[in-house]
Amino acid sequence: KNQVEQSPQSLIILEGKNCTLQCNYTVSPFSNLRWYKQDTGRGPVSLTIMTFSENTKSNGRYTATLDADTKQSSLHITASQLSDSASYICVVGEFFSGTYKYIFGTGTRLKVLA
Amino acid sequence: DAGITQSPRYKITETGRQVTLMCHQTWSHSYMFWYRQDLGHGLRLIYYSAAADITDKGEVPDGYVVSRSKTENFPLTLESATRSQTSVYFCASEGLAASHEQFFGPGTRLTVL
Repeated sequence: KNQVEQSPQSLIILEGKNCTLQCNYTVSPFSNLRWYKQDTGRGPVSLTIMTFSENTKSNGRYTATLDADTKQSSLHITASQLSDSASYICVVGEFFSGTYKYIFGTGTRLKVLA
Repeated sequence: DAGITQSPRYKITETGRQVTLMCHQTWSHSYMFWYRQDLGHGLRLIYYSAAADITDKGEVPDGYVVSRSKTENFPLTLESATRSQTSVYFCASEGLAASHEQFFGPGTRLTVL
């Protein structure tokens, strides 16, 4: 059972519109939650990284929120652009005593249309 | 070139052959990682390394071998390739900053026939 679930699996929106992507996780304990953007044929690129004590983190038009109590995170994209078309991946990580454990969601594929 | 690079970008091989995927980073990051990405799965960690000569298994290490004799290089070897190892492989590196930001390479698409 995947410990990081993302929804929706895919999304189509018009350029200029806002959208919100969801991430629910059961990983416990965790030390940070990340959102990545992955363009087709490329490696993921970090958008935001939040520790368990942070509620929100912004990176330009991208704003991530985290509710550690309900184990939910969201990524809000404002005023979407054609270049936002990509997969967005939620990752929950634990780093303890030099040991890494990163659980990746399967991603939400976003398509922005002109 | 600065950053993290992978080679080859594309590789086709046959079942039973040994294949080595290369990863090189220029930031002197301590941590390096190998992931595989398959349809329907999130990226899964194969192996990681905390420093030169220190490696550890990830979630799916079977059939893979790694080494790290130099900080900047982290090769991944498939000792006897199987069809189930057809995948896209990503290398990543991470420094010791508190942010724990990982930087990914462009990926290697491996096909095992």
